[in-house]
Amino acid sequence: EPEVTQTPSHQVTQMGQEVILRCVPISNHLYFYWYRQILGQKVEFLVSFYNNEISEKSEIFDDQFSVERPDGSNFTLKIRSTKLEDSAMYFCASSPLAPGTDTQYFGPGTRLTVL
Amino acid sequence: SQQGEEDPQALSIQEGENATMNCSYKTSINNLQWYRQNSGRGLVHLILIRSNEREKHSGRLRVTLDTSKKSSSLLITASRAADTASYFCATDADDYKLSFGAGTTVTVRA
Repeated sequence: EPEVTQTPSHQVTQMGQEVILRCVPISNHLYFYWYRQILGQKVEFLVSFYNNEISEKSEIFDDQFSVERPDGSNFTLKIRSTKLEDSAMYFCASSPLAPGTDTQYFGPGTRLTVL
Repeated sequence: SQQGEEDPQALSIQEGENATMNCSYKTSINNLQWYRQNSGRGLVHLILIRSNEREKHSGRLRVTLDTSKKSSSLLITASRAADTASYFCATDADDYKLSFGAGTTVTVRA
């Protein structure tokens, strides 16, 4: 069964460094998302992406964050200058149809640790 | 806020018993989804129920949705140790995101 994959599974970085988290959504899906989960807290929406554009973003998704679909298969989340509070599990998700109509399928997550 | 809120926060049951958890939300939705998360791992989709559906089954899972009360329940029947996990409801309101609740942590004792 097709699944969303994410790399790396764990990323450790120093405060102020840039990180790029990578995702390969399910191949025929059109809608892509990033969520994060700070340890012990609820899953929070960051951004959704469709047709090479951001569809919606949360207030968490400030100028330090960006997303890109550099080719036909990858979807990336970049954090320009990481802060301690960016430490979290980051989940990529994809769905074949428009939001409100279908399931979002989540990847296994990337655990980001900012020191 | 659209967010679902689950209760109870934690549930401990004996293997073979049923586990029921509830989710409440605040505004109109298109669908409501339940996910499972094993400790420190990814989110596994369990079931999606649309706003025009009242009940849905998948294996040992039964989900109900009451849009008049803005609530949903997830029942796991004949629980197993492998069902030990956190369970989240997530509401989808056609606004390009899922809004998650805080989750119910279920522990199934052997």
